Amino acid sequence: AQSVTQPDIHITVSEGASLELRCNYSYGATPYLFWYVQSPGQGLQLLLKYFSGDTLVQGIKGFEAEFKRSQSSFNLRKPSVHWSDAAEYFCAVRLTGGFKTIFGAGTRLFVKA
Amino acid sequence: DVKVTQSSRYLVKRTGEKVFLECVQDMDHENMFWYRQDPGLGLRLIYFSYDVKMKEKGDIPEGYSVSREKKERFSLILESASTNQTSMYLCASSFQGNQPQHFGDGTRLSIL
Repeated sequence: AQSVTQPDIHITVSEGASLELRCNYSYGATPYLFWYVQSPGQGLQLLLKYFSGDTLVQGIKGFEAEFKRSQSSFNLRKPSVHWSDAAEYFCAVRLTGGFKTIFGAGTRLFVKA
Repeated sequence: DVKVTQSSRYLVKRTGEKVFLECVQDMDHENMFWYRQDPGLGLRLIYFSYDVKMKEKGDIPEGYSVSREKKERFSLILESASTNQTSMYLCASSFQGNQPQHFGDGTRLSIL
C-alpha cells in the first residue's frame, strides 16, 4: 500500500541554523509531491509542490525541496531558520490519476533562540 | 487567493447528538475533502466529493456522512456523535487533476 513516512516526530533547530526535514514515500510510480506547513490553530498551507521536471523545487518562505527518485525521498530544506518557522510540517503524496492525497504523520519544528 | 471557510473554529457537543460541520469554498473547485487530524496520525481522509451530489468514502468513513448539494459547499455529518470522534476536522478543496488542496482553518470538535 502507498505510504508516506516522516521519520522525525519533532526537530529542534537554533535560529539561523539550516534545516532539513525528511520525507520518504512508497509508491510504484512517481507521484505528485507536496509539503505543507501548519501553524498552531490553523489549517495547512502549501509550501511547495513537485510534479515533474527539475528535481529541486523552490517554495514560499525560503523553503526548497529535492526529489530523489532513487531514494523515494522528497526532503524539505531551508538554509537559515527563523523563529516564525516553528510549526508542524507535513509531506504529502498524491497518486497520479487519482483524487486521493496521502499525508505523513508530520514533523513538529521547534526553533530555539 | 482561495478561501476555504469552515463554519466553526470550536464546537462542543454531547454524545448521541447529530452534528453538522459546514465548509464553503469560493474558487469553484470541483473537489472537496473532509479530513480528521489526530496527534501522531497525520491527516486521515473521511470522505471526498468530485462533483455536486457525488461522494466517495475515504479511509475512515464509519460514523460519518456527507452532503454536497451545491458546488461550493460540503457538509460533514456525525450521525450520532461519540467521544472517539473528538478531533480536529479539516476541510479542503482543489481543482481537478494534479492541483494541490487548499485547506480551511479547521474545526476543533469536542464530544462530551
